[in-house]
Parts: sequence; structure tokens; C-alpha cells
Amino acid sequence: GQNIDQPTEMTATEGAIVQINCTYQTSGFNGLFWYQQHAGEAPTFLSYNVLDGLEEKGRFSSFLSRSKGYSYLLLKELQMKDSASYLCAVRDSNYQLIWGAGTKLIIKP
Amino acid sequence: IAGITQAPTSQILAAGRRMTLRCTQDMRHNAMYWYRQDLGLGLRLIHYSNTAGTTGKGEVPDGYSVSRANTDDFPLTLASAVPSQTSVYFCASSEGTEAYNEQFFGPGTRLTVL
Repeated sequence: GQNIDQPTEMTATEGAIVQINCTYQTSGFNGLFWYQQHAGEAPTFLSYNVLDGLEEKGRFSSFLSRSKGYSYLLLKELQMKDSASYLCAVRDSNYQLIWGAGTKLIIKP
Repeated sequence: IAGITQAPTSQILAAGRRMTLRCTQDMRHNAMYWYRQDLGLGLRLIHYSNTAGTTGKGEVPDGYSVSRANTDDFPLTLASAVPSQTSVYFCASSEGTEAYNEQFFGPGTRLTVL
């Protein structure tokens, strides 16, 4: 079967750095997405990785290791508005997105 | 403002009733999707449409049907609602079906079936 694993919940302090991990086992791999979802709202796109390595986009960076079936989302200089759920999704061999359950990130002052 | 709209925002429905959730996008995207989101689970694909006039089944299609008569609209119908269909339903669209095409989501419909 196909499986995406993420921690259920993480807590971090305003101004700090946090790393949210995602491991996957899917039938085929055609890229990995990270989305942000604030409570009661729609998911919004953050990043897409298809090659190994780190992609940086402002305060957010995403890393991929295809050989390890592993990705992480790194958030720097945390702000209160970063409190949200972060969803990892893998595009499989059928080009469908397989979604993790999401990681709820709580930012404390 | 360009994007995706969904209606209704929320609905309470008696079991056995028929219900259509509406979804409209104005981005001229080719592909559209319906997901359900339940607590503790990832988004699960119900049905999709890669282009107007075509539809396909996702991971959890039973009890749901869709149509794609034009590019903009992608309604989801529950023929006879059951309590297990209580969920938040998201409609999404993407420009195409390439691997890198991100999906844009509507605001969701919160459905409760009693």
C-alpha cells in the first residue's frame, strides 16, 4: 500500500527554527509537495521537489532525498501566523497525489 | 478575484437525501478534483476530471458522482447521503496534469449527515 508519515503535532517558539519531516512509501514517485493549511481554511501551495536537495523560498525551505523516501520542510524565524497544519503529498506513478494526514504546528510566544 | 468557489459553505443533511455540492473555477484550468478531509486522515480523492467532458474515480468514489460539462464547473452529487459522508469537502483545480502542476483549493464545504 501507499503511505505518507508525518508527526501529528509539533510545538515551537516564535523566532525559532522548526523542521517538519515526511517519509513516504508510494508506487512510483513524480514529485513531492508541501501545503500549508490554516484551521478552517483551504490548503495553499508551499513547495514542489522532484530532484534531491534543498529548495529555498524565503523563510521556508524544502528538502528531498528520493533514495531515503524522505523530505522535510524547514521554517525559519517563526511567526505566530505560521501556526497551521503542514501537509506533505507525493505524486505517484498514476500522477495522483497521495496525502499525509498533516502536521499541526503550534507556535508559542 | 480569480479562484475557486464552492457552495454551500456548510450544510446539515438528513440521511437518504440527495445533495449536490457546487464548484466553479475561473482560472480556465483543465483539471479539477474533489477531496474529502476527515480528522486524522489525509485528503482523499473522490473523483477527478483531467479535462472537460472526462471524469475518473479516485480513492473513495462510492456513493458519489460527478460531471464535467464545461471547463469551469465540477459538481459533486451524493445520491443518497449516509452519516459516514459527514466530512469537509474540498474542490481543487490545476492548470494541467503534469507532475509539477500545483493544485488550487476552494474554501471547502462542511457537510453533516444525520
